[in-house]
Amino acid sequence: AQSVTQLGSHVSVSEGALVLLRCNYSSSVPPYLFWYVQYPNQGLQLLLKYTSAATLVKGINGFEAEFKKSETSFHLTKPSAHMSDAAEYFCAVSHSGTYKYIFGTGTRLKVLA
Amino acid sequence: DTAVSQTPKYLVTQMGNDKSIKCEQNLGHDTMYWYKQDSKKFLKIMFSYNNKELIINETVPNRFSPKSPDKAHLNLHINSLELGDSAVYFCASSLGTAGTGELFFGEGSRLTVL
Repeated sequence: AQSVTQLGSHVSVSEGALVLLRCNYSSSVPPYLFWYVQYPNQGLQLLLKYTSAATLVKGINGFEAEFKKSETSFHLTKPSAHMSDAAEYFCAVSHSGTYKYIFGTGTRLKVLA
Repeated sequence: DTAVSQTPKYLVTQMGNDKSIKCEQNLGHDTMYWYKQDSKKFLKIMFSYNNKELIINETVPNRFSPKSPDKAHLNLHINSLELGDSAVYFCASSLGTAGTGELFFGEGSRLTVL
């Protein structure tokens, strides 16, 4: 069975500081991994996805994530936080052959001026 | 041009009523989904349809009945609404081999049951 754990339901960073949002997954088969962002009262928007082509994945808005199989992790980073990054972030896992995408519980990012 | 559109965006209703939410996607995708997001932002899959065929029914009470009249539409009808049904319901779609493509989400339909 697949699962996703996001450590830290709330993360606060100062504007300009590094953003690190953690995601660990559990999957018995090669996973597909995704990060989504949700702004207030909106749907989820894809930031980036891992599909086994490259372990370091670059996404939109300056975000990137690194797939580490040995650590079963797919942490999301951004070198310098902007106020506009304040939102809810979700990690998700799936695998080929299933339509079941499993989401983590989300991490709310707050950016302090 | 909205890719995945849901209507209505807000519903407020009394316990025991029946309500429907409609979803349409203009992306040409062949798989559509309903997800429920609770007050703690937890997202749980409810249903998945591929080419109008039900693929996933995730132990949802049978008061919830999805219907896919064609590949571009997936509607959700809820009978005998309960307080616990209050949530945001998201429609999504995807393309390609199962589990490999990203999900495209609608903006959500916020259901409040009084």
